[in-house]
Amino acid sequence: NAGVTQTPKFQVLKTGQSMTLQCAQDMNHNSMYWYRQDPGMGLRLIYYSASEGTTDKGEVPNGYNVSRLNKREFSLRLESAAPSQTSVYFCASSENRNSNQPQHFGDGTRLSIL
Amino acid sequence: ILNVEQSPQSLHVQEGDSTNFTCSFPSSNFYALHWYRWETAKSPEALFVMTLNGDEKKKGRISATLNTKEGYSYLYIKGSQPEDSATYLCASYIDRGSTLGRLYFGRGTQLTVWP
Repeated sequence: NAGVTQTPKFQVLKTGQSMTLQCAQDMNHNSMYWYRQDPGMGLRLIYYSASEGTTDKGEVPNGYNVSRLNKREFSLRLESAAPSQTSVYFCASSENRNSNQPQHFGDGTRLSIL
Repeated sequence: ILNVEQSPQSLHVQEGDSTNFTCSFPSSNFYALHWYRWETAKSPEALFVMTLNGDEKKKGRISATLNTKEGYSYLYIKGSQPEDSATYLCASYIDRGSTLGRLYFGRGTQLTVWP
């Protein structure tokens, strides 16, 4: 049971480079999320997709774009990476956006911007 | 801005000790309170989802209570074991109506259990 799969697991970029973080889930979940985790901070929501075909901004969307490619896949793109985007990124999914649905997390992508 | 607060930030206990920590959240517009367990080098895993005032949930040696009127939840671990060492996250689900509801996470309580 793969659950939520994120690629890559590690990446080093130079300032100004672009890249896409990939996320796929095999649980037939409707809702998907991208978070970032920084030292001393809680998980902060970047973007989410309540259902296929919809995306919405979270708490810290600046500098990011997302695509809900299909029901399984939700990608996060950094168009012009900045050192402030150095972080650990987590993708998560839930059956739907109802409050009683737990979120299932991937293993994270550790991203360093030089 | 909604604040979900967790205390203490970190906790060190001996094997066999029982321990508890607190999650505080805004009591207005409450829908649900989630607890997650996050082991080092792994991803967060859901422990409990609680929705009703007075809810009590239990999973093995771990249990949680919920008070929505005063805006707090306690997580208890009975007879802590080294494998309980992890960061415990709580998150409150808030739906503001004008935007889609979502979870707001606390910063976590890092528990270390010494053998």
